[in-house]
Amino acid sequence: NAGVTQTPKFQVLKTGQSMTLQCAQDMNHEYMSWYRQDPGMGLRLIHYSVGAGITDQGEVPNGYNVSRSTTEDFPLRLLSAAPSQTSVYFCASRNETGTATDTQYFGPGTRLTVL
Amino acid sequence: AQTVTQSQPEMSVQEAETVTLSCTYDTSESDYYLFWYKQPPSRQMILVIRQEAYKQQNATENRFSVNFQKAAKSFSLKISDSQLGDAAMYFCAYDNNDMRFGAGTRLTVKP
Repeated sequence: NAGVTQTPKFQVLKTGQSMTLQCAQDMNHEYMSWYRQDPGMGLRLIHYSVGAGITDQGEVPNGYNVSRSTTEDFPLRLLSAAPSQTSVYFCASRNETGTATDTQYFGPGTRLTVL
Repeated sequence: AQTVTQSQPEMSVQEAETVTLSCTYDTSESDYYLFWYKQPPSRQMILVIRQEAYKQQNATENRFSVNFQKAAKSFSLKISDSQLGDAAMYFCAYDNNDMRFGAGTRLTVKP
């Protein structure tokens, strides 16, 4: 299993540009989520999904869109990038069983710089 | 909204000694999960230990253990026999479908 994969690893955008951060998992996990990590801070939840076709907002959703057309993929879209979106982005997934064995697996992160 | 507070931005420990990292959280829920994650310079988030709120017994994983005080909403991490490889950022997290992280504690291990 590849686990959770993210592409690209690094990206530089100009203000106003749009782009999509890709996230995929091969563990058949129902729950997937996107976080951003700013310097000196912990991860903050942007959006999450409990299954294909279902998404919901997290703590900091503004400026981001998501969709979940398949179990495997959960892309994050920036419609009009702003310097405030400069951050490291993590995708994560876990089984949505509500049991004590659930573990959230994180991707390696994407470092995004918006000029 | 749930909040997670780590009051120690930096901590230092001598190799082979024990260190405790503090975490408090705020919630009105009764069922939730608590986690400690380790983030080395590679940025990879590594699960250290997990605690279910409905379990009174404190979780342990080898040299890592927690002191979970539900009424006080406290969840501290104890690292015993500290090793150089334990040096990293440590994040406390609360999860009830909307995961919240603390700001982190940077742990330095001195040889």
